[in-house]
Amino acid sequence: AQSVAQPEDQVNVAEGNPLTVKCTYSVSGNPYLFWYVQYPNRGLQFLLKYITGDNLVKGSYGFEAEFNKSQTSFHLKKPSALVSDSALYFCAVRGTNAGKSTFGDGTTLTVKP
Amino acid sequence: DAEITQSPRHKITETGRQVTLACHQTWNHNNMFWYRQDLGHGLRLIHYSYGVQDTNKGEVSDGYSVSRSNTEDLPLTLESAASSQTSVYFCASSEHENEQFFGPGTRLTVL
Repeated sequence: AQSVAQPEDQVNVAEGNPLTVKCTYSVSGNPYLFWYVQYPNRGLQFLLKYITGDNLVKGSYGFEAEFNKSQTSFHLKKPSALVSDSALYFCAVRGTNAGKSTFGDGTTLTVKP
Repeated sequence: DAEITQSPRHKITETGRQVTLACHQTWNHNNMFWYRQDLGHGLRLIHYSYGVQDTNKGEVSDGYSVSRSNTEDLPLTLESAASSQTSVYFCASSEHENEQFFGPGTRLTVL
């Protein structure tokens, strides 16, 4: 069985500071890892993914994530947070032989001016 | 541009009624999914399909059914709506190992 943990329900940062949203996973075989963002009253939007290759993945809106196989983590990062980054963030994992993804419970990011 | 749409966007119904939520995608994706989103539970998978005539149960499938007669559509039916099915429902589609594209959601209230 595959699973995802987002250990923080809420992350608060000041605008201009770096942000990290944590994600750890458990899966059989090699993982496919994803980050999505959800703004109020909207569907989820894809941010970035790790399939294979470079452990540092760059995505939309200046976000990046680092795949760490030994720690089974895929933390989302951004060097300088914006107020407009405030949203709900979901990490998802899918095993190589699985057709469906498992989502974490989400982390609410609040960036204060 | 390709897209995924859901209808209705809002629905109020009564306990015991049958309700069908529509999902239509123009990405030509084989994989389609239905999720529900509730506070404190994140996204939970209801049903999914890997192609025409294929349907599979997710982790919270009781009381729901789907059918896949073509590539574009995966309607979700609540056979006899219950108050516990009040939720926001999201449809998504994807191809192979790639990311999912989500619809805008349907807010369902069962009174």
